[in-house]
Amino acid sequence: EDQVTQSPEALRLQEGESSSLNCSYTVSGLRGLFWYRQDPGKGPEFLFTLYSAGEEKEKERLKATLTKKESFLHITAPKPEDSATYLCAVQAPRLWSGATNKLIFGTGTLLAVQP
Amino acid sequence: NAGVTQTPKFRVLKTGQSMTLLCAQDMNHEYMYWYRQDPGMGLRLIHYSVGEGTTAKGEVPDGYNVSRLKKQNFLLGLESAAPSQTSVYFCASNLGAYTEAFFGQGTRLTVV
Repeated sequence: EDQVTQSPEALRLQEGESSSLNCSYTVSGLRGLFWYRQDPGKGPEFLFTLYSAGEEKEKERLKATLTKKESFLHITAPKPEDSATYLCAVQAPRLWSGATNKLIFGTGTLLAVQP
Repeated sequence: NAGVTQTPKFRVLKTGQSMTLLCAQDMNHEYMYWYRQDPGMGLRLIHYSVGEGTTAKGEVPDGYNVSRLKKQNFLLGLESAAPSQTSVYFCASNLGAYTEAFFGQGTRLTVV
């Protein structure tokens, strides 16, 4: 069964304290792994897409990496404005041309960065 | 550029009432989706559309209907609301099957 597991469920960091969030997945024929940021009361905001093992993407203090079984979101020297829920989603192949790309979301990691 | 816009942002319904949620995107995207987000369960796909005039069922379609008469709009209908439909609903769109999706701000629906 295709599934995505994110850990930890919640993480509290001091400003400047680097850490990593984990996204473990099982999917047949990965077509992409997406990271989103979600602020309270808002919709998910796209951060990164990773398509193959070994790929890395960076944006400011965030760096996403991908292996065949998991992805990590590394946060370097976080600031309070990095506080949010971070969602991981994996995409399985379409079953047929008119179907959707099956996107499976994890339940997220709630990150709190204290000044 | 507004992106994906959802209307309304909040709504309270009584059990058995009906309502329609509107999603509009201005990015000329072919694919549009309706998700619901519940605590501890992640985002789950309700219905989706791969183009104007097309709709299909997602993971949790029961109790909902959708229509896509215009490419930029995707409507989600609740025919007879139930307390189990209390949730936050998100609309999303993307350009192609394997590209990133852009989400609206969400509609918080409470059914009492």
